[in-house]
Formats: sequence, C-alpha cells, structure tokens
Amino acid sequence: EPEVTQTPSHQVTQMGQEVILRCVPISNHLYFYWYRQILGQKVEFLVSFYNNEISEKSEIFDDQFSVERPDGSNFTLKIRSTKLEDSAMYFCASSEQGAYQPQHFGDGTRLSIL
Amino acid sequence: AQKITQTQPGMFVQEKEAVTLDCTYDTSDPSYGLFWYKQPSSGEMIFLIYQGSYDQQNATEGRYSLNFQKARKSANLVISASQLGDSAMYFCAMREGGTAGNKLTFGGGTRVLVKP
Repeated sequence: EPEVTQTPSHQVTQMGQEVILRCVPISNHLYFYWYRQILGQKVEFLVSFYNNEISEKSEIFDDQFSVERPDGSNFTLKIRSTKLEDSAMYFCASSEQGAYQPQHFGDGTRLSIL
Repeated sequence: AQKITQTQPGMFVQEKEAVTLDCTYDTSDPSYGLFWYKQPSSGEMIFLIYQGSYDQQNATEGRYSLNFQKARKSANLVISASQLGDSAMYFCAMREGGTAGNKLTFGGGTRVLVKP
C-alpha cells in the first residue's frame, strides 16, 4: 500500500540553525500538509499546499517557516532559524482530490532543538 | 471554544471487550467530516475511519465503528473485540467545509490500554 515517507526520522539541531524536513507524499495525491505535535500535546495544523501554492496556514506558520515542492515528488518544510519551542514531532500528510478523502500521514520527523 | 473535545484522557479495556471513545465537536458549517486516527507508541498516525456530515448511516471499518449523533454533535469511536495491539493514543479530528484539502483540527486524544 502506498505511503507517505518522511526523512529524517530524527533531527537534532542547534538553536538558530536552519532545518529542512523532507516528505514524499503518495504519488497520486494532490493536497499536502504539515502538522506538528509537541510532546504530550495535540496535533496542530501548520500549512496546506495545493497546486504549487499555500492554500492555508496557521498562526504558528510565521515567517520562519516555508514550504516547497521542488520537484514532482518531494515536499519540504524549512525552518529558517530554529527556536527551542520548535522541538516537536512534525508530520507530513497528503490526500486525494475529493471532499471525503482522508489525510494519510507519514511516520513523522522528531525535531529536537538544543 | 474547543472545536474537538475528547473528555477521556485515558482508559483501560479488557482484551476481547468493546470500548467506546468519546468525541464531541463544534462547528457551524453544515458540511464537515469527522476522522479517527490511531497513534501507537512508535508515533505514526494511522487513519481508521471517516464520517461525513451528510452520511445517513454510521461508518464502519472492520472492528471500528462510528456512533454518529449529529444533533448532539458527537462522533464516538467504538472498537469491538479489543486486541493488545489496540493499545495506543486515539485522536478524533474534524475537517470543516466540503472542499478537499481543508485542514484537520484534532482533539486532545484518548490513551487506550488493553489488558490481557
């Protein structure tokens, strides 16, 4: 069964450094998302992406964050200057066309900021 | 106000018994979808079941069923014949609007521990 693939599974970065989280969505999916989950808390929406542009973003997704689909398969989340509070599990998700299609999540990247 | 509320932070269930996980939601949009995800201790998010606001029948998917009570704005997940592998965190989520690609809003989750 096709799945969303995220790399790396764990990223440790010094505060202030840039980090890029990578995702390969399911190949026929058209909608892409990033969510994050701070340890012990609920999953929070960051951004959605469709047709090569951001369709919605949350208050969390400030100027330090950016997303890109550099080619036909990858979808990346960049954090320009990481802060301690960026430490979280970051999930990429994708979904098909259709209002009733579920979002399929990757296994996540655990980001630890030191 | 919270859009998705899961009032049970944790629960124990005996193996082979059924368990009901509560979820209430708040929206003024007539078109919405409700989703349940399972998060094992390994951390991944696994889609379980979906219910649309216009669906007349409760959704079922194997041992999972959704008790959808629209007037009460509740969408409880029922897991029948619990197995040890069902021990996990369970999240209820809502997508508002009838458009594909809308974000999911998650509840705080319920941790289920299945006892042998």
